[in-house]
Amino acid sequence: RKEVEQDPGPFNVPEGATVAFNCTYSNSASQSFFWYRQDCRKEPKLLMSVYSSGNEDGRFTAQLNRASQYISLLIRDSKLSDSATYLCVVNNPNTDKLIFGTGTRLQVFP
Amino acid sequence: DAGVIQSPRHEVTEMGQEVTLRCKPISGHDYLFWYRQTMMRGLELLIYFNNNVPIDDSGMPEDRFSAKMPNASFSTLKIQPSEPRDSAVYFCASSPDRNYGYTFGSGTRLTVV
Repeated sequence: RKEVEQDPGPFNVPEGATVAFNCTYSNSASQSFFWYRQDCRKEPKLLMSVYSSGNEDGRFTAQLNRASQYISLLIRDSKLSDSATYLCVVNNPNTDKLIFGTGTRLQVFP
Repeated sequence: DAGVIQSPRHEVTEMGQEVTLRCKPISGHDYLFWYRQTMMRGLELLIYFNNNVPIDDSGMPEDRFSAKMPNASFSTLKIQPSEPRDSAVYFCASSPDRNYGYTFGSGTRLTVV
């Protein structure tokens, strides 16, 4: 089983739609979780950290479910500019490294 | 802050040649990471440094790859000799803490022909 797994997509949604991605992780002892965004031919950029109680940043909401070992990202009122690949990132407490998922591609159309 | 600075942005080289990629981390960040990204394998961690000391190089694919960090503001990743399968985007990232969010440079797109 991969340490971090994501549905590669693509998720094709119209402007204004709400879309959610999930990401599962294998190590129950993981403590740090992030969502990154990567535009085509650009570097990954930190979108938001994921906290145990869940957290919101504008149209973006991140949730953590420790029991089922997944994190989620919800995007409300999608914009064309949200089109990108979203990378799930989880720490491996055994190796002390951050593990990046392969990403979920989102395409928002007019 | 200018962020993490990488050079060159693009590199095209012939098989067998030596390639050197450069990185300047954000000032004050104690951790520096070298990643490689391909369509097939995604982002792979090659090596990381803490306070200029290499901590984990288990991701370095083979002896042809080497990395150095002579001081807190500069690191290099060298491939010698280069092979076509080394073609990828190489990212450098830095962080104040190993489990804090990383800031990536804009990457070096390497093509070995």
